[in-house]
Amino acid sequence: DTGVSQDPRHKITKRGQNVTFRCDPISEHNRLYWYRQTLGQGPEFLTYFQNEAQLEKSRLLSDRFSAERPKGSFSTLEIQRTEQGDSAMYLCASSTWGLATSDTQYFGPGTRLTVL
Amino acid sequence: DQQVKQNSPSLSVQEGRISILNCDYTNSMFDYFLWYKKYPAEGPTFLISISSIKDKNEDGRFTVFLNKSAKHLSLHIVPSQPGDSAVYFCAVTMDSSYKLIFGSGTRLLVRP
Repeated sequence: DTGVSQDPRHKITKRGQNVTFRCDPISEHNRLYWYRQTLGQGPEFLTYFQNEAQLEKSRLLSDRFSAERPKGSFSTLEIQRTEQGDSAMYLCASSTWGLATSDTQYFGPGTRLTVL
Repeated sequence: DQQVKQNSPSLSVQEGRISILNCDYTNSMFDYFLWYKKYPAEGPTFLISISSIKDKNEDGRFTVFLNKSAKHLSLHIVPSQPGDSAVYFCAVTMDSSYKLIFGSGTRLLVRP
């Protein structure tokens, strides 16, 4: 039984550099979510996909952020021209949707980004 | 504007006693409520949930209570164990599989 996996677990970068994170959801899950968590706060929603379609993006997701889920399986989150304020834990979650029962979001271990 | 509030940043409880964690929300349209537990350097782990058609849901040592009129939910852990020490987040949504809105968390310490 494999859960949600994320890669890398840690990323340190210099301001202005681009970074890309990957998320592999639970295999039968058709919904995939990205959240961001900063110190002392709960996770904040960034965006979500149903299969390969990106259905909603938060106002938190500036134009420097882009997310893709090209084949409806894994997803990538790219941050261009990183800023120190982007330092956070980036969490991915997945769930099913469309079944008769309510479906829970299961989270990966997160990618901790530090922008120097 | 905080739609979900956990007003107690921390809670310390003796092993074997009850832990009660509280959460308040502002929007009566929320219809599904969850509790997650988080250990350091890990992602949140789902604990228990409740839909708005119920006022109580139990799973072993964990019980969630929902008071819709007060827009309040609580998590009871009985008996508390040292391994329960973690940060607990409540989360709400308008659809069980839609975006979650989280509180800021309560750090629970269960003392042996």
